[in-house]
Parts: sequence; C-alpha cells; structure tokens
Amino acid sequence: EIALVQSPGTLSLSPGERATLSCRASLNVSSTNLAWYQQKPGQAPRLLIYATSTRATGIPDRFSGSGSGTDFTLTITRLEHEDFAVYYCQQYVNSPRTFGQGTKVEIK
Amino acid sequence: EVQLVQSGAEVKKPGESLKISCKGSGYSFTKYWIGWVRQMPGEGLEWMGIIYPGDSDTRYSPSFQGLVTISADKSTTTAYLQWSSLRASDTAMYYCARHCRSGYYLDAFDIWGQGTMVTVSS
Repeated sequence: EIALVQSPGTLSLSPGERATLSCRASLNVSSTNLAWYQQKPGQAPRLLIYATSTRATGIPDRFSGSGSGTDFTLTITRLEHEDFAVYYCQQYVNSPRTFGQGTKVEIK
Repeated sequence: EVQLVQSGAEVKKPGESLKISCKGSGYSFTKYWIGWVRQMPGEGLEWMGIIYPGDSDTRYSPSFQGLVTISADKSTTTAYLQWSSLRASDTAMYYCARHCRSGYYLDAFDIWGQGTMVTVSS
C-alpha cells in the first residue's frame, strides 16, 4: 500500500496570498495517477486536479498541480475566500487507492 | 446532468444489517467504475473499493475486504454498499463516486454523491 503524507497539516494564509501544499508518496507514483480534491465542511469532496496537473472541468486556473515520482504539489496562486477548505491528494496507480491525511487551508 | 444520488441517513444498532444506495444518471452507467469512500467523523477520506457495473468486477481495499459488500444493478443504474453486521466503528459518512473516464480502471473520482451518514449506536 502506498502511503501519502501531506504537509503542512494546516496552512494559515490571507486572501490574495499564494498557497503551496505538498504530498509525498512512500513509493513512486506515476505522474498520470495523482489527484487533488477540495472538501468544504458539510460537502462532498470535489475533484480539482487529476494526472498530477490536469484541471478538472470548471476548475479555475489559479489551481495548478505539479510533481513526479514521490513528490507532488498543489499551488493556489491567489487565495479567494471560497478556497479556504481541506485539500486531499490521492494516488490511483495501484490498489488500494490511498488518500493523504489532508491539509487544511484556513484564514489567517 | 451527470449525477449520483445517494440514499438517506441511517441510524442502526450494532449487529444489524444495512444496504445503502447510489443511483447514477445522465451517463452510461455500465461503462464507468464507481467507488465508495468512507469518512469517519472529523477524519480524512478512505478508499473502500470499486465496481464496474458492466460486468460487476469488484475490487476491495484490504481494510474493508470481508467487512462490506459492493454491488451494482444495471437495470436500475444503482450501486450499493452493504453490511451484514454493523459495528459502532462503522459510524461514518459514506460517499459514492464515479471515475472520470469511461472504462478506466486507474482513475480519479470526478462525480461524487452527496453522502450517506450511517450512525451505529445501541
């Protein structure tokens, strides 16, 4: 099983700032098999990025993903109020698929 | 509109059985893998397993193998998650979700159900 560790656990930022979230895998994850999700309180997760860097339908371009091998990054260039949420990475290169433990982006 | 609509919240006692549902619409149900994801109160996301409704090929996480059963009914375009004997530790929100691309076994989840809250308490 591939373990995903996200850092930091909590990111305290102001609107307009840049957010950089990290996801590190215990084994090599193909760049085609890494996704990022956003989850707000009381809501289902929403797909942001798949295949490391491809934005899902309707996702604004302030969200971008990068990385390869075992190190992946989600960047939000200019935080807007609706971006404060919990973010999860997920690998789907093998079974079981696994999620990271999440990074909470909170308003400073 | 592509959507997954899940059944309503459940309150059960330990030892009882339960089957929750996830109805797909707006797309070709038999051609996309559907999975289930658990989220315990205040916790993160856990991948439970997936099913391909076209032929009922099913894969489970080792953490859930033998504890739950995933199934699908093509005629009603509905996927199911069931327990034969619930435990208090099964208390959680359960989401169904669909793979992004038709037929892709290795894929992210792009469409999610609204979630079904299952509470198990004596």
